[in-house]
Amino acid sequence: KAGVTQTPRYLIKTRGQQVTLSCSPISGHRSVSWYQQTPGQGLQFLFEYFSETQRNKGNFPGRFSGRQFSNSRSEMNVSTLELGDSALYLCASSLEGQGGETQYFGPGTRLLVL
Amino acid sequence: DAKTTQPPSMDCAEGRAANLPCNHSTISGNEYVYWYRQIHSQGPQYIIHGLKNNETNEMASLIITEDRKSSTLILPHATLRDTAVYYCIVRAKAAGNKLTFGGGTRVLVKP
Repeated sequence: KAGVTQTPRYLIKTRGQQVTLSCSPISGHRSVSWYQQTPGQGLQFLFEYFSETQRNKGNFPGRFSGRQFSNSRSEMNVSTLELGDSALYLCASSLEGQGGETQYFGPGTRLLVL
Repeated sequence: DAKTTQPPSMDCAEGRAANLPCNHSTISGNEYVYWYRQIHSQGPQYIIHGLKNNETNEMASLIITEDRKSSTLILPHATLRDTAVYYCIVRAKAAGNKLTFGGGTRVLVKP
């Protein structure tokens, strides 16, 4: 089975721009979560999508948004980029998003904001 | 989700067992203990998880104390490729796929 894939793997943007990142979950997985990892804050939960609906949300400003499509693929968007948005963005998927399941992570998208 | 406490770093000799402790004294009955590791700049890799009983898979063993307030991840024969940051996470059984990562333990396996 193919793992979680994320595109693009690397991205450079400038302040004020917006960016869209894509995540394809493992086949059959319906829950997709997004995380941001920075050296200062570590790994932080952004949001989770299940059946095209946002089910959980972390403490991030409204500039961070996401969506999920009927095939469970997900995108996240960051508008009006700030320097502090430079980070590794990770996507993870699991079957139903239940407590006993395993969540599998993708390789991440490294975003650099100049 | 309950908070976890891990030592910030530890060294281990190649070929020896690595025992990684995790304290989760406020864990509740419906919370699982998960272990992930992250090798430099890659996505976290699932290792193992458990609820009450000890668990073993091809990567590691998980020992959970009877009161469930702490656990130990055991890498039976550490190799240089096991050098990584190891995260212990406690996660509720309820629906919702949010993992709360702490600082983890930076493990350095030395030849």
